[in-house]
Amino acid sequence: KAGVTQTPRYLIKTRGQQVTLSCSPISGHRSVSWYQQTPGQGLQFLFEYFSETQRNKGNFPGRFSGRQFSNSRSEMNVSTLELGDSALYLCASSQIAGVVSYEQYFGPGTRLTVT
Amino acid sequence: AQSVTQLGSHVSVSEGALVLLRCNYSSSVPPYLFWYVQYPNQGLQLLLKYTTGATLVKGINGFEAEFKKSETSFHLTKPSAHMSDAAEYFCAVSRGGTSYGKLTFGQGTILTVHP
Repeated sequence: KAGVTQTPRYLIKTRGQQVTLSCSPISGHRSVSWYQQTPGQGLQFLFEYFSETQRNKGNFPGRFSGRQFSNSRSEMNVSTLELGDSALYLCASSQIAGVVSYEQYFGPGTRLTVT
Repeated sequence: AQSVTQLGSHVSVSEGALVLLRCNYSSSVPPYLFWYVQYPNQGLQLLLKYTTGATLVKGINGFEAEFKKSETSFHLTKPSAHMSDAAEYFCAVSRGGTSYGKLTFGQGTILTVHP
């Protein structure tokens, strides 16, 4: 099976712009989670989507949003970019079977630089 | 709220020596515990996980961890370090159930292996 894929891998944006990142989960995985990784704050949970619904949400401002499509692919959007949004954004997918969730598999990440 | 503390942001060992990376957690409910490894410019790879059952968990690449509820610890060990083990290691906790997709990570420990 192909792993989790994220596009683009690298992105440079200017303050005030918006950006959309994409994540394709492993085939059959219906849960997608997003994380932000920075040297100062470490790995922080953004949100999780399951069956096109946001199931869990982290403590990030409303500028950060996401969605999931019927094929489980997910996108996250950051509006009005700030310098502090520069980070590695990681997507992870997991399999859900009834009430049982399985381990998360991570993609390679999208490196976002805001100038 | 859950939290994870990794003791020691940097650990240095000689090739062939024991690797011990420390992780303590705080959780109001029975935790699900994970160790991930991250190589430079890559995403996270799952080493091992504890959900229920046996408290000594074996993972990939010769790593294992023991869940000690009384000590709220989940330390990662490997009997003999290899140069290829040099990477950053993250301990993570989740609540399970519908919150399984929300991982709370420690700050990470960079492992250096000397020849």
